[in-house]
Amino acid sequence: AQKITQTQPGMFVQEKEAVTLDCTYDTSDPSYGLFWYKQPSSGEMIFLIYQGSYDQQNATEGRYSLNFQKARKSANLVISASQLGDSAMYFCAMREASGGYNKLIFGAGTRLAVHP
Amino acid sequence: KAGVTQTPRYLIKTRGQQVTLSCSPISGHRSVSWYQQTPGQGLQFLFEYFSETQRNKGNFPGRFSGRQFSNSRSEMNVSTLELGDSALYLCASSLGLAENTGELFFGEGSRLTVL
Repeated sequence: AQKITQTQPGMFVQEKEAVTLDCTYDTSDPSYGLFWYKQPSSGEMIFLIYQGSYDQQNATEGRYSLNFQKARKSANLVISASQLGDSAMYFCAMREASGGYNKLIFGAGTRLAVHP
Repeated sequence: KAGVTQTPRYLIKTRGQQVTLSCSPISGHRSVSWYQQTPGQGLQFLFEYFSETQRNKGNFPGRFSGRQFSNSRSEMNVSTLELGDSALYLCASSLGLAENTGELFFGEGSRLTVL
């Protein structure tokens, strides 16, 4: 079974609107972390936001927020007030405590296009 | 502070050759991990080094190897290159401590083309 599933290969959003990128995960490890990264065409993986499995509050970082629903095993990324520079690939990733500190399992990614 | 630095950014090799990629982590970070990104397989974990020791390894053949130096800089080597090794190789650094944190940052990657 896929450990990280991103069901949206591509998404379109109008500039200044909000967009939600979906991510579901599968793990039996009680301790895990969930990451979202942005990858522009240059290739660099830019860290956006992190949610630990024991964190009570949903993580927020500026225009990014993570809608963490633990029972449903989902960790959707919400980008508010989209900007043209948000056009990129977005990856959801998971780190399981049992898997190793820096072993991330990535989803297939969602390509976001922001239109003016 | 400076981010994760990877060199070279681009390189072209032919089948059968070998290649060495370098990664300098963020200052103070002791863990370096490597990932391979291809259109077909996506992002896959190669291995992780912490304090000069390989701490974790992904499911790759022995042609892929790495090491870490006392200053935390890391190199990965791919021997007997195959066409399928063409990929973006990404390095990530972190403190590498036991607590579960979001401290994991990537470099810009080294794009390898094998002809």
